[in-house]
Amino acid sequence: AQSVTQLDSHVSVSEGTPVLLRCNYSSSYSPSLFWYVQHPNKGLQLLLKYTSAATLVKGINGFEAEFKKSETSFHLTKPSAHMSDAAEYFCVVSVSPFGAGGTSYGKLTFGQGTILTVHP
Amino acid sequence: GAGVSQSPSNKVTEKGKDVELRCDPISGHTALYWYRQRLGQGLEFLIYFQGNSAPDKSGLPSDRFSAERTGESVSTLTIQRTQQEDSAVYLCASSLQSGSPHEQFFGPGTRLTVL
Repeated sequence: AQSVTQLDSHVSVSEGTPVLLRCNYSSSYSPSLFWYVQHPNKGLQLLLKYTSAATLVKGINGFEAEFKKSETSFHLTKPSAHMSDAAEYFCVVSVSPFGAGGTSYGKLTFGQGTILTVHP
Repeated sequence: GAGVSQSPSNKVTEKGKDVELRCDPISGHTALYWYRQRLGQGLEFLIYFQGNSAPDKSGLPSDRFSAERTGESVSTLTIQRTQQEDSAVYLCASSLQSGSPHEQFFGPGTRLTVL
């Protein structure tokens, strides 16, 4: 089984300050991890993904995330927030197809989401 | 290029009626997924298609829910005898192949409201 916990339902920052969105995962097998963003009235967009290569993953719009196996975490960060970053962010886990077995192959498990508000 | 499209974008129906939601995946994408997003919650997996077969239907909430896919093209999600708890945004995604880490591309969703 796999699960994702996003530790904050809401995060509020000022423009130009760092962003930290926290995510912990649980997986019986080697996971792939993703961050998706959902702007109001728009579809989900992939920000970045971890697939067992480098543990520090860089994504679009200046976001990055670090996979820490010992802490089972995959926190999303950005050095300086922009007003356009205001959106809902989802941490997502998918079990690796190698050794996963069963029918969870390719199925994404989403966290509950973190709403990011950016103040001027 | 064209992304994943879904129709209708909004659907309001009365309790007990049947509804059909449509998804057009990106051309060439063999894998297709349906998810449900209830208000204030993350996405729940419903069903996954590889081609026109559905190896994983484990997320379908009840036998009132069913889905079909024609080849590697259009998919329809049907909800029979709708209930108020079915109100949600239904999202479709497609990917080149099934399995992680292939990126899933999401459609804009169908917002279903059951009165």
